[in-house]
Amino acid sequence: DGGITQSPKYLFRKEGQNVTLSCEQNLNHDAMYWYRQDPGQGLRLIYYSQIVNDFQKGDIAEGYSVSREKKESFPLTVTSAQKNPTAFYLCASSLKGGELFFGEGSRLTVL
Amino acid sequence: AQTVTQSQPEMSVQEAETVTLSCTYDTSESDYYLFWYKQPPSRQMILVIRQEAYKQQNATENRFSVNFQKAAKSFSLKISDSQLGDAAMYFCAYRSVAGGTSYGKLTFGQGTILTVHP
Repeated sequence: DGGITQSPKYLFRKEGQNVTLSCEQNLNHDAMYWYRQDPGQGLRLIYYSQIVNDFQKGDIAEGYSVSREKKESFPLTVTSAQKNPTAFYLCASSLKGGELFFGEGSRLTVL
Repeated sequence: AQTVTQSQPEMSVQEAETVTLSCTYDTSESDYYLFWYKQPPSRQMILVIRQEAYKQQNATENRFSVNFQKAAKSFSLKISDSQLGDAAMYFCAYRSVAGGTSYGKLTFGQGTILTVHP
């Protein structure tokens, strides 16, 4: 079945470590997105990509990095520069002009 | 920048009754899209309904309908015949279509937790 797969579902990190969250889609969507969700807040956009080898910063890009080497894949790296990385991370994809389809999310906890 | 506000952090409804969730937004644009997404305890976001701003007719999807008031910048969601499976966090979201942003960068509200009582 077509969809978006995020892994891992749960991830623990020590302070000072970089971690990478995986996002893969087989929907043949051009655009992909990363959102962060904190308790009591809506989703906030971290990065998005409209085409392979191109991506743009969202509203809260500091401390994060992404790559888009393949249409199907849009991994997110949470770097040690991110001051408060504990959160729920959601990946999404869309066709041009279409609604967003979301993965099941990854919960990152910093120990 | 656009903002989306959901003023009801929590709402509750009895099974089979009707409930309305509120959403207001701020924009200077004339053309845009509005969405309601549902996030059940599994945490996966599911699209409930979408509304194109240029359409005057309110969107409906089975038991879900919206009341879109463009001049008032209001976009409420009505759930009729509420079911236990409707219990979730509901998010209102805005998407601009101006300036090549048609790839769907959404701005979300803070969310409303809906509880359905049997």
